[in-house]
Amino acid sequence: DAGVTQSPTHLIKTRGQQVTLRCSPKSGHDTVSWYQQALGQGPQFIFQYYEEEERQRGNFPDRFSGHQFPNYSSELNVNALLLGDSALYLCASRRQGNYGYTFGSGTRLTVV
Amino acid sequence: AQKITQTQPGMFVQEKEAVTLDCTYDTSDQSYGLFWYKQPSSGEMIFLIYQGSYDEQNATEGRYSLNFQKARKSANLVISASQLGDSAMYFCAMRELPSGYSTLTFGKGTMLLVSP
Repeated sequence: DAGVTQSPTHLIKTRGQQVTLRCSPKSGHDTVSWYQQALGQGPQFIFQYYEEEERQRGNFPDRFSGHQFPNYSSELNVNALLLGDSALYLCASRRQGNYGYTFGSGTRLTVV
Repeated sequence: AQKITQTQPGMFVQEKEAVTLDCTYDTSDQSYGLFWYKQPSSGEMIFLIYQGSYDEQNATEGRYSLNFQKARKSANLVISASQLGDSAMYFCAMRELPSGYSTLTFGKGTMLLVSP
């Protein structure tokens, strides 16, 4: 049973560029959340998608946007990249109504 | 104000000994949940244990137990019989339900190093 799959695993981008990160949730899960984890910090909640709509958003600017597809997979888009966007981006999925979250291994984004 | 506080940046323990990782939380909700995750250098967050706010007994999962003291708002993780493979970052997290959609708030983590 595949868990949460994220791609790519590593990415290097230049300031000002745009990036798209992808997440396939665990089988049976319908809710996807994204987290940003800066070096030496705990993960910070970005937003959560359920039924293809953003249901909850953390304290992140509009440069961060997302999408959820009918098959429950999700994308995280970041525009106008800043050096401070360099972080590990984690995707977590769960089944709505259950508390059990499953995390992926993350995408490590480096902005130069 | 921080919602999850982990005051120990790093902890050292010898193999086969027990270790306690501290976590305090802050919420005004009556219904919430507390998690502990392990994060090895690979980056994946591995679920260890969960405690619901209404659970009367402390949660246990194998070598992991959660010392839940609701009045003190603490949820410490106890690892018994430490193993070398336990060396990793450990995060305490709280589940809240703003607007009915559950989100997780994490602490800054504790690095655990297990020596032979």
